Amino acid sequence: KAGVTQTPRYLIKTRGQQVTLSCSPISGHRSVSWYQQTPGQGLQFLFEYFSETQRNKGNFPGRFSGRQFSNSRSEMNVSTLELGDSALYLCASSTGTGLFSYTFGSGTRLTVV
Amino acid sequence: GESVGLHLPTLSVQEGDNSIINCAYSNSASDYFIWYKQESGKGPQFIIDIRSNMDKRQGQRVTVLLNKTVKHLSLQIAATQPGDSAVYFCAEKADSWGKLQFGAGTQVVVTP
Repeated sequence: KAGVTQTPRYLIKTRGQQVTLSCSPISGHRSVSWYQQTPGQGLQFLFEYFSETQRNKGNFPGRFSGRQFSNSRSEMNVSTLELGDSALYLCASSTGTGLFSYTFGSGTRLTVV
Repeated sequence: GESVGLHLPTLSVQEGDNSIINCAYSNSASDYFIWYKQESGKGPQFIIDIRSNMDKRQGQRVTVLLNKTVKHLSLQIAATQPGDSAVYFCAEKADSWGKLQFGAGTQVVVTP
């Protein structure tokens, strides 16, 4: 079966712009979590969506937002980009219930210049 | 000012030897632990998991040990191969939802 698909793979944006990243989970998975990975902070949890509802949120400013659609695909948006937002953004897919494990996508590499 | 990145500990191991990667976790309420492998340019790849009601679990060439008393997790890789070269992360889950708390990672370098 298809894995977790993240698009685009690479993105270059200018400070002050906004960006939208997309994640398509494994078929049948209802939970999508987003993580930011940087050399300085490692892997940091952003938020999790389950059945179109955000049910968990990390410690990131309000410039970081997300949503989930009825087909479980998720998008995250970062507004007013800062240089420090340069990172690898990863999404993880899971069933979201019971004893669930997580499958990660390959990530979107965002560079803010 | 200058930003300081996480200093990843590095484990150098000779091909064919066994590797042991250690991880200290933070939350005594965590009930699920996962080891991931991340190769350059890729997302983390699931290796093995363990629940808090167990202290050992074995997979193919890998074993995870959990010591809840000292909040310590380890990953043992038998007969390490060049393809095992990667960064290894432990992750813990402490709530009912999807949040994972990741460790800083360990860089494993396999030498011939």
